[in-house]
Amino acid sequence: DAKTTQPNSMESNEEEPVHLPCNHSTISGTDYIHWYRQLPSQGPEYVIHGLTSNVNNRMASLAIAEDRKSSTLILHRATLRDAAVYYCILRDYQAGGTSYGKLTFGQGTILTVHP
Amino acid sequence: ETGVTQTPRHLVMGMTNKKSLKCEQHLGHNAMYWYKQSAKKPLELMFVYSLEERVENNSVPSRFSPECPNSSHLFLHLHTLQPEDSALYLCASSPTTGHNEKLFFGSGTQLSVL
Repeated sequence: DAKTTQPNSMESNEEEPVHLPCNHSTISGTDYIHWYRQLPSQGPEYVIHGLTSNVNNRMASLAIAEDRKSSTLILHRATLRDAAVYYCILRDYQAGGTSYGKLTFGQGTILTVHP
Repeated sequence: ETGVTQTPRHLVMGMTNKKSLKCEQHLGHNAMYWYKQSAKKPLELMFVYSLEERVENNSVPSRFSPECPNSSHLFLHLHTLQPEDSALYLCASSPTTGHNEKLFFGSGTQLSVL
């Protein structure tokens, strides 16, 4: 899987928007961009994913650069419960590929939310 | 509540013990995974099962032995572990092993090997 680069940590204030960046300059045409987060003492949970177009769901928005070499996860109003490690992951599927659905995690970004 | 339940939540064992970690999913998924999360290291994939068949073994030492008796249950049998095996062991499931399936994780078993 192609590599991603994320800042080690970011801080935000409660009820403010948070933009979490991810660089993936070696992304291939068949790589999907996935975001997971891991709250303290829990397993990772799915946040959002996309290929080329920006995506929105109830948790967050995903903005994908036109050249797809970077993306940004947007939390529109951070809450204390959003404090977690956020992982940006590229998942590749090639015809006949054997990725077996696995996720390859990096170090992620530790998000701290201040009251 | 993710629908993936792991027991026990915490486990302390000696290097000569044999223990098992259990994972159960109530989501009707056909794929199950074991991941290992060591302190200050990224999550590492250990095993993947699809329809109770092991489809990936990510160079895991033989002291870790997985078992998938049916699509709802996954076990990780542990024997003669080393202190460096102390970690959080996470189970996950997904509908299939398709590349865009969401993975649902349990809360993990925190293992300490003395």
